[in-house]
Amino acid sequence: EIVMTQSPATLSVSPGERATLSCRASQSVSSNLAWYQQKPGQPPRLLIYGASTRATGIPARFSGSGSGTEFTLTINSLQSEDFAVYYCQQYNNWPPLTFGGGTKVEIK
Amino acid sequence: QVHLVESGGGVVQPGRSLRLSCAASGFTFSSNGMHWVRQAPGKGLEWVAVTSYDGSDSYYADSVKGRFTISRDNSKNTLYLQMNSLRAEDTAVYYCAKGGNWFDSWGQGTLVTVSS
Repeated sequence: EIVMTQSPATLSVSPGERATLSCRASQSVSSNLAWYQQKPGQPPRLLIYGASTRATGIPARFSGSGSGTEFTLTINSLQSEDFAVYYCQQYNNWPPLTFGGGTKVEIK
Repeated sequence: QVHLVESGGGVVQPGRSLRLSCAASGFTFSSNGMHWVRQAPGKGLEWVAVTSYDGSDSYYADSVKGRFTISRDNSKNTLYLQMNSLRAEDTAVYYCAKGGNWFDSWGQGTLVTVSS
């Protein structure tokens, strides 16, 4: 099973600033990585797949990068609606599909 | 647009069974793989099971293998999760999700609480 590790667990950012979230895989997942956003009381929402391709309707301030074992989700100019928990998920080698533990982006 | 509505959750005693349903609309259900993903209270996401577009292939997380069964009825645009021998650690919100390798649409979830 591929273990996904996200850091930091919590990220405090001021509105308008940039947030950089990291996701590491225990072995290479190539570019087979997705990112999700989850707000309290809501289901997750797909942001990114293929490590860097934005899903339909996702604003350009969200960008993904990386390959192999190291990945980054960058959120430029944080908006109030961006404060949430973010999860990465690998789909290179499954079952099982595996998620990282999440990064909470909170208001500084 | 894609609409997924889960139902069937509730409080159940350890060792008992429960069947969840997920009604799908807004897309060609019979052409898409479907998953169940769960989230324990205050915790992260855990993939549970997947079924292929026609139900011929299914895979499970080790934590539920042998106890849970995923199935689908394409004539009713409905996904199911039969959960047997439930344990306290199965307590979670269960989401159905559309997708192959990733999850492009999610339902709102249904809460399953396993408690005596």
